[in-house]
Amino acid sequence: AQTVTQSQPEMSVQEAETVTLSCTYDTSESDYYLFWYKQPPSRQMILVIRQEAYKQQNATENRFSVNFQKAAKSFSLKISDSQLGDAAMYFCAYRSADSGGSNYKLTFGKGTLLTVNP
Amino acid sequence: GAGVSQSPRYKVTKRGQDVALRCDPISGHVSLYWYRQALGQGPEFLTYFNYEAQQDKSGLPNDRFSAERPEGSISTLTIQRTEQRDSAMYRCASSSWTGLHFEQYFGPGTRLTVT
Repeated sequence: AQTVTQSQPEMSVQEAETVTLSCTYDTSESDYYLFWYKQPPSRQMILVIRQEAYKQQNATENRFSVNFQKAAKSFSLKISDSQLGDAAMYFCAYRSADSGGSNYKLTFGKGTLLTVNP
Repeated sequence: GAGVSQSPRYKVTKRGQDVALRCDPISGHVSLYWYRQALGQGPEFLTYFNYEAQQDKSGLPNDRFSAERPEGSISTLTIQRTEQRDSAMYRCASSSWTGLHFEQYFGPGTRLTVT
């Protein structure tokens, strides 16, 4: 079974600075997807960024980018130019890419609570 | 609205009562997932459906939990004889089989409190 570990329960960053959230995972599969979800105080689940394991290039979405190290099974999220609206719980998630069983359930880490200081 | 909806948004019930939580997925989405999120934790998979067929219920904690999706659209998660440990946020997500990524779109969740 796959596991996802987020070792930082809480992080803080000054507005306009850069912060990196860590995530490691364990799997025996070679093809999979990794995600970062944001959960603001409203408790919605918002997809921030997605990485396909077969792609060597790190995904980027505006101020959000990832550092994907497949051999190390590491998937960190970098937030540049942090804004007050970035304050939220961030979850790392894993999903198999094997469509044989068509179960694309997500396996989540425990989350990192990010505080942005003005 | 085009998103996933869930009802009720909040439910307070007494221990021993049955509760039914409803999920209305995005129209046309084939797959529907249920997750449970305890306070301070990430969501955990409970069960999922393709159309009306329940494909995997390995995440259901015990036989007090059941789910159905009789017409392949709306789904109901039922918890019988609720216990305090059932208190959590229950989320559903739906996804389409078109497109490359089978993206899951989450609903706002139902916060269940068992007193």
